[in-house]
Amino acid sequence: DTGVSQNPRHKITKRGQNVTFRCDPISEHNRLYWYRQTLGQGPEFLTYFQNEAQLEKSRLLSDRFSAERPKGSFSTLEIQRTEQGDSAMYLCASSLIGEQFFGPGTRLTVL
Amino acid sequence: GIQVEQSPPDLILQEGANSTLRCNFSDSVNNLQWFHQNPWGQLINLFYIPSGTKQNGRLSATTVATERYSLLYISSSQTTDSGVYFCAVTGGTSYGKLTFGQGTILTVHP
Repeated sequence: DTGVSQNPRHKITKRGQNVTFRCDPISEHNRLYWYRQTLGQGPEFLTYFQNEAQLEKSRLLSDRFSAERPKGSFSTLEIQRTEQGDSAMYLCASSLIGEQFFGPGTRLTVL
Repeated sequence: GIQVEQSPPDLILQEGANSTLRCNFSDSVNNLQWFHQNPWGQLINLFYIPSGTKQNGRLSATTVATERYSLLYISSSQTTDSGVYFCAVTGGTSYGKLTFGQGTILTVHP
């Protein structure tokens, strides 16, 4: 059990560029979650998958954001046409039943 | 959606002191977790405690689901306990997403 991993750990991009993050959950976990955390705030839910099905999406997830989990294993989160307000820590978590376990996060800075 | 409030927002202690952090939530919950966020942003699981009492070393937690609150106790605090403590719940109409409180910033001085 190597835990949840996320790549890259840091991403600096220019406004208007597209970025993609990857999350690899704990191997036997069927649920995968994405959250976003800005400075001084608690994490906010974005979306979650059970196997490959996307079951819930937050209203925070604008049409510039898309997430996939094509084979029910790893997941990608893409942000198109990035804005400075997208700068945040993007956290991924996975679970089997109840308890969620988080990865180290990807810190995005949009210049 | 479900609301989560944590108190106090900030707590400053001397090493060796005890502390209690509180988490109030507005609806019935299916899941309640306490996390410690380290300086690098990693959320470390402390307790998964939708009800009852658990202990792990110097830390313990109690959730009284019927009264919609949870408490995290830290005894004999150490400087390494410093950081942000989050309470997060799954409840109401959602069984998947965690709703986080604003956190308690704990600073332990030597």
